[in-house]
Amino acid sequence: QLQLQESGPGLVKPSETLSLTCTVSGGSISSSSYYWGWIRQPPGKGLEWIVNIYYSGSTYYNPSLKSRVTISVDTSKNQFSLKLNSVTAADTAVYYCARLGRSMVRGVILNAFDIWGQGTMVAVSS
Amino acid sequence: QSALTQPRSVSGSPGQSVTISCTGTSSDVGGYNYVSWYQQHPGKAPKLMIYDVNKRPSGVPDRFSGSKSGNTASLTISGLQAEDEADYYCCSYAGSSTVVFGGGTKLTVL
Repeated sequence: QLQLQESGPGLVKPSETLSLTCTVSGGSISSSSYYWGWIRQPPGKGLEWIVNIYYSGSTYYNPSLKSRVTISVDTSKNQFSLKLNSVTAADTAVYYCARLGRSMVRGVILNAFDIWGQGTMVAVSS
Repeated sequence: QSALTQPRSVSGSPGQSVTISCTGTSSDVGGYNYVSWYQQHPGKAPKLMIYDVNKRPSGVPDRFSGSKSGNTASLTISGLQAEDEADYYCCSYAGSSTVVFGGGTKLTVL
């Protein structure tokens, strides 16, 4: 059964770069049927989609965050990573990684996040 | 890309039905039949409940149903149960491999 697990520092200083990694287990990140995405949720607030990546490296960004976001994939480690630069307190949130179906193949749920990591809390504070 | 509009809260008694709306634009909800709904209990990750506007993943009770009319999608939960109390989020495909979420709705089971 495929699982996703986020990892990274729980505390980042203002103006620095937030870096998180999502490790995929129980399946291959190199599947042609899926994108891999990051979503965040500030405390007490709603979900915000950040970015998607395909195993080939193609990327798709939320326009409001695009200028500060970098996403990469490492197929040899079955991981994908998020970097968010110039962070402020407004970037304090639980960050989730998730799988998004991208192809109309039997068994694939298209354009919906069907598997999520447990989430990791990142606080931005000096 | 603006967040989809959901009511902040809805409530219902056990056994009743409730409907949560999700309003977008012709560039997202109205333009594609790719609306999904997620249930989130406190401290937990979201769980997919509805996809493709009205389809349920395996294991989701048929008490949960979805629909769409124009730029507004809806999630209906019938036969409310205590464990349905949670936050619910809609999400729509918005073109070019991007998605947008709603602001979330808190469901209270009275």
